[in-house]
Amino acid sequence: GENVEQHPSTLSVQEGDSAVIKCTYSDSASNYFPWYKQELGKGPQLIIDIRSNVGEKKDQRIAVTLNKTAKHFSLHITETQPEDSAVYFCAEYSGGGADGLTFGKGTHLIIQP
Amino acid sequence: DTAVSQTPKYLVTQMGNDKSIKCEQNLGHDTMYWYKQDSKKFLKIMFSYNNKELIINETVPNRFSPKSPDKAHLNLHINSLELGDSAVYFCASRASGDTQYFGPGTRLTVL
Repeated sequence: GENVEQHPSTLSVQEGDSAVIKCTYSDSASNYFPWYKQELGKGPQLIIDIRSNVGEKKDQRIAVTLNKTAKHFSLHITETQPEDSAVYFCAEYSGGGADGLTFGKGTHLIIQP
Repeated sequence: DTAVSQTPKYLVTQMGNDKSIKCEQNLGHDTMYWYKQDSKKFLKIMFSYNNKELIINETVPNRFSPKSPDKAHLNLHINSLELGDSAVYFCASRASGDTQYFGPGTRLTVL
């Protein structure tokens, strides 16, 4: 991967509302797009991922959408709960370079009670 | 049982010292990685290692060297530590698919 832009850097929502985090990428060869949740003092934990042949994927309150033409992908969290508060990272993988994931800079999601 | 484990969790050391961080995965994965997370929480790939093939991110100083005694382990050795090496280092592993699983991290502080 080359570059991944992630917005916003901080997102505060009321408990029960929805949260949306957006990412754009530049590498046309990217074919895998995971989302990780990182809680304080812990390692990143995979919460959902999507591959380039799929436009949308849902897992309970979490969904990811991918627009390959526009090189955008987004994380949607519905009915937010206090335990959703964490830093969320988008990433992309193309197998090139150092063969690792290229991460966005993270979004600090704050759920207000 | 922890899938990807790292030791130590915290490492505090003086500039100029040499130190190692250990990583083990019990998932039977073929590929292991080291990532660095800086003070702004930016995560960046350092190395990937698969079946004795090492791929290095060109921005990583050669003071950093990964060593794999066997398929389940990828340790990170750092020579002549500098202040700028202070960060959280994460080990990760991947099977034949794309999903990467991360360890809990090692917070390195260089004084």
